[in-house]
Amino acid sequence: VQLLESGGGLVQPGGSLRLSCAASGFTFSSCAMTWVRQAPGKGLECVSVISDSGSNIYYADSVKGRFTISRDNSKNILYLQMNSLRAEDTATYYCAKRAYYAFDSWGQGTMVTVSS
Amino acid sequence: QTVVTQEPSLSVSPGGTVTLTCGLSSGSVSTSHSPSWYQQTPGQAPRTLIYTTNIRSSGVPDRFSGSILGNKAALTITGARADDESHYYCVLYMSGDISLFGGGTNLAVL
Repeated sequence: VQLLESGGGLVQPGGSLRLSCAASGFTFSSCAMTWVRQAPGKGLECVSVISDSGSNIYYADSVKGRFTISRDNSKNILYLQMNSLRAEDTATYYCAKRAYYAFDSWGQGTMVTVSS
Repeated sequence: QTVVTQEPSLSVSPGGTVTLTCGLSSGSVSTSHSPSWYQQTPGQAPRTLIYTTNIRSSGVPDRFSGSILGNKAALTITGARADDESHYYCVLYMSGDISLFGGGTNLAVL
């Protein structure tokens, strides 16, 4: 299993970014996927979950209405569109594969910094 | 709002045994919460240790074990080693397809 995030960077408050996670080594279209973030020096937070087909989606209250999770099962890619970014969204964002109600494989993460 | 609770910090002697716990601010943890445990060292991605209460992830040594102790989930580390010094996070699966992380336990081996 390999999960490779990209798309992080420095963005101004109110700006947008789209994160991608390229998946390989497993049947992507059969697995729920998640985005988990970690602010500097803080703990982990599950930001969003998407079912294998994309029909069921969950967002943490902290990002609801601003972030959109999606997936392209033909390309084995998971996305996170982040709009109206705030300073408190500054974090490392991890892509994780979900199995048995847990996170069973992780990417290395991509850093998002929201600052003027 | 439900909060998942963990000890902020614990310590264990090399070769010793330590138990980390994972509770709920209201209510008891049960196997229906499918507790899972993760290890994270600074600058690294989390590593999955335990899922579905007590199933070890591939490659995880049997020094790590998961269980339900009373009204909490527990991660027990036996024969502690210096490289077990890490942050440990638990996750509980809640209704509405929500996975809640605990605040993490900083484990020192000294």
